[in-house]
Amino acid sequence: EAAVTQSPRNKVAVTGGKVTLSCNQTNNHNNMYWYRQDTGHGLRLIHYSYGAGSTEKGDIPDGYKASRPSQENFSLILELATPSQTSVYFCASGDALGLGGYEQYFGPGTRLTVL
Amino acid sequence: GDSVTQTEGLVTLTKGLPVMLNCTYQTTYSPFLFWYVQHLNEAPKLLLKSSTDNKRTEHQGFYATLHKSSSSFHLQKSSVQLSDSALYFCALSGSLLSGSFNKLTFGAGTRLAVCP
Repeated sequence: EAAVTQSPRNKVAVTGGKVTLSCNQTNNHNNMYWYRQDTGHGLRLIHYSYGAGSTEKGDIPDGYKASRPSQENFSLILELATPSQTSVYFCASGDALGLGGYEQYFGPGTRLTVL
Repeated sequence: GDSVTQTEGLVTLTKGLPVMLNCTYQTTYSPFLFWYVQHLNEAPKLLLKSSTDNKRTEHQGFYATLHKSSSSFHLQKSSVQLSDSALYFCALSGSLLSGSFNKLTFGAGTRLAVCP
């Protein structure tokens, strides 16, 4: 089965501090994604990547950076964390479905609290 | 752009009863539709997927039929169990011709609560 892991699983940060969330996948998928999940908003795409060295902005990229140093690893970086970034963050890797469409496999999530 | 609408935020049922969770979508191109299920404090997991019009797809007792004429992909189960209590997301991915073929657009989710 597809394997996506995230670290840390829980993080408490201070306002203005730097936070790095890490994601690793062993699926050899080209595409990787970062989402945040908030009640009433479902899953919202922050950044994604087509492969090592590439990052693309998703639907809500403001306040976040991403880094894809290798096929396996994809990081989400909050340079100056704010309380509004308190959320649960999910990483996913994606596999193409034949003629189109992508199926995604999710990691276990990171609960971030910014005080 | 693409969008997915799930009209119910919370559905509460007694076990053994049937359920239907609504999902409608908007896209310009031929769609791929998914249902993901997320149990408490777990990651979302794929439950169903389809891109074929008017064909029923089933998994773990759940089923859904993609109807392109009505832009719908409702999730159903004939008899819910306590273990079905979870958050259910409908999601849309576009075809290769669209700009969103490698991304998923999620609905807001429907929480299903099954009571004894």
